[in-house]
Amino acid sequence: AAGVIQSPRHLIKEKRETATLKCYPIPRHDTVYWYQQGPGQDPQFLISFYEKMQSDKGSIPDRFSAQQFSDYHSELNMSSLELGDSALYFCASSLYQDPTGELFFGEGSRLTVL
Amino acid sequence: AQSVTQPDIHITVSEGASLELRCNYSYGATPYLFWYVQSPGQGLQLLLKYFSGDTLVQGIKGFEAEFKRSQSSFNLRKPSVHWSDAAEYFCAVGARNTGFQKLVFGTGTRLLVSP
Repeated sequence: AAGVIQSPRHLIKEKRETATLKCYPIPRHDTVYWYQQGPGQDPQFLISFYEKMQSDKGSIPDRFSAQQFSDYHSELNMSSLELGDSALYFCASSLYQDPTGELFFGEGSRLTVL
Repeated sequence: AQSVTQPDIHITVSEGASLELRCNYSYGATPYLFWYVQSPGQGLQLLLKYFSGDTLVQGIKGFEAEFKRSQSSFNLRKPSVHWSDAAEYFCAVGARNTGFQKLVFGTGTRLLVSP
């Protein structure tokens, strides 16, 4: 079965650079979530989208922005990167109508800021 | 707001022994509860979930968990641990609002399996 696809899987950037992460949800899933997992930390919710509209917002820095496109894929844009942004970024997708509310996670994109 | 506590940071279990990982949650309504497993450098794999019905839920890889409302707990169990079970385990509670699921994770429990 198709899963959530994230790209790139690994990314290395310098401080103050910009990075873009992409997420392709499971087909027919209409909701996308972004989570950030720092080294040795639990995943923290950043932001979510439903039908191209932001549905919820967590601890996402102002330097970050995200959007969901008409094909439901999502992109997380990170600017003025800081060392503390080094983390594993997970994307998850779900179907709004699913009563279980289960999120399906991708393998993650590992960002390293030097 | 919901929160999750996993009181054990590390647990070491002998291969073949039974396992119980503890999870306590705080949430005002009936929660959606999940257990995820993460191998080093890998993504999050769902082991099992509870959102209604039978309070004892079966998951993949021989895991099960029991929802106890009176104790606000959702402990994960496995009768016989295999070396391949060594990983980080996260308990998560969901607050589902009009179709959107916002998960809050615990800090995780790292399982080590000794020979």
